[in-house]
Amino acid sequence: GQQVMQIPQYQHVQEGEDFTTYCNSSTTLSNIQWYKQRPGGHPVFLIQLVKSGEVKKQKRLTFQFGEAKKNSSLHITATQTTDVGTYFCAGVFGNEKLTFGTGTRLTIIP
Amino acid sequence: NAGVTQTPKFQVLKTGQSMTLQCAQDMNHEYMSWYRQDPGMGLRLIHYSVGAGITDQGEVPNGYNVSRSTTEDFPLRLLSAAPSQTSVYFCASSRTQLRPEAFFGQGTRLTVV
Repeated sequence: GQQVMQIPQYQHVQEGEDFTTYCNSSTTLSNIQWYKQRPGGHPVFLIQLVKSGEVKKQKRLTFQFGEAKKNSSLHITATQTTDVGTYFCAGVFGNEKLTFGTGTRLTIIP
Repeated sequence: NAGVTQTPKFQVLKTGQSMTLQCAQDMNHEYMSWYRQDPGMGLRLIHYSVGAGITDQGEVPNGYNVSRSTTEDFPLRLLSAAPSQTSVYFCASSRTQLRPEAFFGQGTRLTVV
């Protein structure tokens, strides 16, 4: 089946450092979404990217969708303790259902 | 606004027992789905439904049944629990399949002994 690969699996950063997680698909995506899951919580929708080359920002978070619509990234500038959690990308192939990546668990060292 | 409600939050089953995980949404969403989450595996789709009376299999459907008799409810049934079904289960809903921004329930942590 179609898969979305996400790296890295874990990331430990000092508070104030930047963080990036990447998603890749072997086939073109209709759109890609990003979710955040706090420890012990449930995934919460962050954003959806639809257009080739699209860039969206939410405060310190920057989301990008590749020109070929096969890859995406989430970048957090100057991490804070509130950023702790697991970040998932989820791709949509054609009109099909969401396919989640394996997630990147972010821990912050104060 | 309750959103997506899952019950129970925690459950321990013995191997071979059956049970139903409940999921209800009050947003009039057409699309509902069940995922299981295991360490290092992300969220894997079990079953989904694009509307009342319509269900289909996801990536890991074996050992699970679903039905969708109403728009609001989408229960997940474990037919004969196995230790491999120990996991955290999430129900999610979306307005439609083409508007797939998903709203998740709080999850059910299931342990099969």
